[in-house]
Amino acid sequence: GENVEQHPSTLSVQEGDSAVIKCTYSDSASNYFPWYKQELGKRPQLIIDIRSNVGEKKDQRIAVTLNKTAKHFSLHITETQPEDSAVYFCAARSSGGSQGNLIFGKGTKLSVKP
Amino acid sequence: DGGITQSPKYLFRKEGQNVTLSCEQNLNHDAMYWYRQDPGQGLRLIYYSQIVNDFQKGDIAEGYSVSREKKESFPLTVTSAQKNPTAFYLCASSGTGGITEAFFGQGTRLTVV
Repeated sequence: GENVEQHPSTLSVQEGDSAVIKCTYSDSASNYFPWYKQELGKRPQLIIDIRSNVGEKKDQRIAVTLNKTAKHFSLHITETQPEDSAVYFCAARSSGGSQGNLIFGKGTKLSVKP
Repeated sequence: DGGITQSPKYLFRKEGQNVTLSCEQNLNHDAMYWYRQDPGQGLRLIYYSQIVNDFQKGDIAEGYSVSREKKESFPLTVTSAQKNPTAFYLCASSGTGGITEAFFGQGTRLTVV
């Protein structure tokens, strides 16, 4: 089945700096890669996603890149703000035999220091 | 709020008891999921269902059971066979037949007392 590895597990940056979180996946049939943000005590919420037919997607300060050949994708947050502090999860969904199976990484706790 | 509701928010279980966590969605989503969240472990898939009356085991299904008798509902039973059930449980739903966003419920925190 699919396996998603996420790094780093914790990340601390100064306000205004950029943050990058990286994920790798194992199932070459995976074709959908969402990123979720979970604030303390709250449910995870989608912040950006990318399909396998796209290499990069941007939404204001957030961007995601996908390298299908290497089977890795990354989240980039620019001009970080204290409200970006949260746990971020990457995920992958397969289009193959386990279609619909949404597998998550272990999360990255991002701390943005004012 | 988000169209997917979990209840209760907090649940206490005595050792040896089965408990059932509720998950209901009004988003007309075909797919539903149950995840367990432990500190430092991320979201681990327990069970998922892509259609009524069908469901598949995830990575940590032992000690859990589910049913999918209605499209809107996907209850999770934590049985006495689950040796370490204390955790935060999240239910999610998404569309199928395309690649769509998964929406999460607000979660149920289960504690064994």
